[in-house]
Amino acid sequence: GESVGLHLPTLSVQEGDNSIINCAYSNSASDYFIWYKQESGKGPQFIIDIRSNMDKRQGQRVTVLLNKTVKHLSLQIAATQPGDSAVYFCAEIWAGTASKLTFGTGTRLQVTL
Amino acid sequence: ETGVTQTPRHLVMGMTNKKSLKCEQHLGHNAMYWYKQSAKKPLELMFVYNFKEQTENNSVPSRFSPECPNSSHLFLHLHTLQPEDSALYLCASSQEIRGVGTQYFGPGTRLTVL
Repeated sequence: GESVGLHLPTLSVQEGDNSIINCAYSNSASDYFIWYKQESGKGPQFIIDIRSNMDKRQGQRVTVLLNKTVKHLSLQIAATQPGDSAVYFCAEIWAGTASKLTFGTGTRLQVTL
Repeated sequence: ETGVTQTPRHLVMGMTNKKSLKCEQHLGHNAMYWYKQSAKKPLELMFVYNFKEQTENNSVPSRFSPECPNSSHLFLHLHTLQPEDSALYLCASSQEIRGVGTQYFGPGTRLTVL
């Protein structure tokens, strides 16, 4: 069936370096994508979103890139900090499914000093 | 704080117990959701409520019974659960259900079924 998946379950990055977390989706009808961050003991927290009519969107230290040709989504975190250590999920909304988010399995980002 | 609170934060129950999870959102949202988060599995949507009306049941077993008395409160009643139901149960809310709305999550209830 259609699914959202993540390439790497764990990513280790040195403090100060840039992080790139990838996500693949299979449903070309998806029109909205969201990245969530989940810290230990907390629920997922919205980071940034992007609509399918965009290729790139920037936030504070984060950038999301969308490549519809290969159905690929990435989250770039600049100057990674220890506080960025968490599990990151991408989620998609399929056109016509209202607010039903479909989540990937998540990537754990570990920031080393 | 996201504006979505959940109680209790931790719950241990036997398979014959009856318990309830509570969620409250202080954001004025109209839609509320229950999710199940198990280890090494994606977040699974369980139920969706819009203006207190259930709009989606994602083939959830009847031992999970949701209740939404108003747009700010959501309950999940648990009865005769199985050990495989042990998971983190997350509540979320969003301004609207139609279109693209960001969902705000609570901290979750960590449920252990013995």
